[in-house]
Amino acid sequence: DIQMTQSPSSLSASVGDRVVITCRASQSISSFLNWYQQKPGKAPKLLLYAASSLQSGVPSRFSGSGSGTDFTLTINSLQPEDFATYYCQQSHISPYTFGRGTNLEIK
Amino acid sequence: QVQLVQSGAEVKKPGSSVKVSCKASRGTFDASAINWVRQAPGQGLEWMGVIIPIFETTNYAQNFQDRVTFTADKSTGTAYMELSSLRSEDTAIYYCATSRRSVPLHGLDPWGQGTLVTVSS
Repeated sequence: DIQMTQSPSSLSASVGDRVVITCRASQSISSFLNWYQQKPGKAPKLLLYAASSLQSGVPSRFSGSGSGTDFTLTINSLQPEDFATYYCQQSHISPYTFGRGTNLEIK
Repeated sequence: QVQLVQSGAEVKKPGSSVKVSCKASRGTFDASAINWVRQAPGQGLEWMGVIIPIFETTNYAQNFQDRVTFTADKSTGTAYMELSSLRSEDTAIYYCATSRRSVPLHGLDPWGQGTLVTVSS
């Protein structure tokens, strides 16, 4: 199975900050990488697919980049509603594994 | 956009089975695929597999291959996930989520609200 490693596992930031979350695949996955946001007690929400394509309705302060094995999720000008847990998922080879998550907390 | 509505929480004994349902709000899945993902308490997300209801094709993650069965009722737009030989480690929230194809190149969206399955003696 392809292993997805996210870093950091947790992160403290303030409203207005820019944050970067990274995701590394154990082998090349081209650009087949999705990002999700999950808030406590809620189902995950798709933010980006194919590494950099913004899902409809997702604010433009969210962006993604990368290909091969290294990917980043960037959130510009953090808003209060952005504090949540973020997961990456590879969609290259079944099983379509997730990273272990990055918990973004308010500083 | 279609919404997915899942069945309610379940409490099961070790060794038993559970069947969770996932109904499309408009009563049909079209050509969409239904993925199943679980999340143990305080843990991350684990992809279990996918079914394309109109073709009745499935792809199971190897970790669940021997214990899980996905089915679908096309007439009602309802998908089902049945997990057998339950053990305490299967205690988790089980989600269904749509993808355009069996390979989630465009991600999983939307998701059901989740079904908590508790396995306890």
